[in-house]
Amino acid sequence: GESVGLHLPTLSVQEGDNSIINCAYSNSASDYFIWYKQESGKGPQFIIDIRSNMDKRQGQRVTVLLNKTVKHLSLQIAATQPGDSAVYFCAEIRPYGGSQGNLIFGKGTKLSVKP
Amino acid sequence: SQTIHQWPATLVQPVGSPLSLECTVEGTSNPNLYWYRQAAGRGLQLLFYSVGIGQISSEVPQNLSASRPQDRQFILSSKKLLLSDSGFYLCAWSRRSTVGGYTFGSGTRLTVV
Repeated sequence: GESVGLHLPTLSVQEGDNSIINCAYSNSASDYFIWYKQESGKGPQFIIDIRSNMDKRQGQRVTVLLNKTVKHLSLQIAATQPGDSAVYFCAEIRPYGGSQGNLIFGKGTKLSVKP
Repeated sequence: SQTIHQWPATLVQPVGSPLSLECTVEGTSNPNLYWYRQAAGRGLQLLFYSVGIGQISSEVPQNLSASRPQDRQFILSSKKLLLSDSGFYLCAWSRRSTVGGYTFGSGTRLTVV
């Protein structure tokens, strides 16, 4: 089953505001984390990743924060735009995926941006 | 650069009919390949994964099967579709030699009627 869970299934923000999407993971051995964006009817697209030896990584308008102490991951989107409306999945990579492959997805958070 | 192709984009099939969804990857060799299913408004469920030609691992018991006849080709099949097989099917690939994320295809929306 899934071991990466999300705190909020839906998030609604005003255009221009910052968005924060949270994720909890359960396996302390996971050493690589990814955020994916999935628009309606499309496959998930890579947004940003972070390795366990980092606690913060920035991209264009996005920042991922990793708190290994509490096994928490967050995605911050600055100046949220209507085009950011999508479902966001966090995923953890386990070093030894065993029979399941090594990428475990969370359930997803739907971000809605109000104009 | 690597690309992944998945088709068809949408499919409407009657109950009891067969299914064949195809996925191909270009620009890489020996990829790990995956089939996921996503119910409406839900997360991603891993159905099958493959680390090589003819090597298929199944994650959940189901009405579906997968095959990998070539290194960069992954096929999802069913002999007789059920209503519960409806969903959004996603193919993905990842590198075998390094730890990294998955790259997804554009998905197939299957509706069984």
